[in-house]
Amino acid sequence: QKEVEQDPGPLSVPEGAIVSLNCTYSNSAFQYFMWYRQYSRKGPELLMYTYSSGNKEDGRFTAQVDKSSKYISLFIRDSQPSDSATYLCAMSAISGTYKYIFGTGTRLKVLA
Amino acid sequence: DVKVTQSSRYLVKRTGEKVFLECVQDMDHENMFWYRQDPGLGLRLIYFSYDVKMKEKGDIPEGYSVSREKKERFSLILESASTNQTSMYLCASSLSAGPGTFFGPGTRLTVL
Repeated sequence: QKEVEQDPGPLSVPEGAIVSLNCTYSNSAFQYFMWYRQYSRKGPELLMYTYSSGNKEDGRFTAQVDKSSKYISLFIRDSQPSDSATYLCAMSAISGTYKYIFGTGTRLKVLA
Repeated sequence: DVKVTQSSRYLVKRTGEKVFLECVQDMDHENMFWYRQDPGLGLRLIYFSYDVKMKEKGDIPEGYSVSREKKERFSLILESASTNQTSMYLCASSLSAGPGTFFGPGTRLTVL
């Protein structure tokens, strides 16, 4: 079993839809959770960072962590075609550590 | 604006060649990383460095070596390239105490 599981997709939604992207994990020591967006043929860029449980909002993006279920989510409101990309989750037990564990990514397509 | 640059976007090499991939960051980050990214396997850590001249093996170091002579520069070396090293190579950097990892644009290496 992988430490971090992420559905590869692709997930296709119409423009304006609310998108939910998810990762599950097995290591209860994880405390730092990140979401990255990766456009085709580009490097990943950091979107959201959360510590421990709870929600964090940044514009149209909301990151949610449920440590009791070992489940994290990224919600995108009012999705746009420019949101079409692969979304990677990453997590670690210690801040600043090299030991980030990445999910394999979910490919999202937002249709105009 | 934070920046990680990689020397080449695309590279084609022959089996047995020695290959150098260069990475430079301008954020004064202590940590630097080399990952490879393959479909279905996600990001896998090859090597990382937490200080000048310091390095540690990641999850898949076989067939690779690294060099960090200056804080801003981290090189990945394929001593004798093989076809199974055809991949996307991503360099990244981070602060020791900070959240997240910042990635370069990637080098797509093809070994024939």
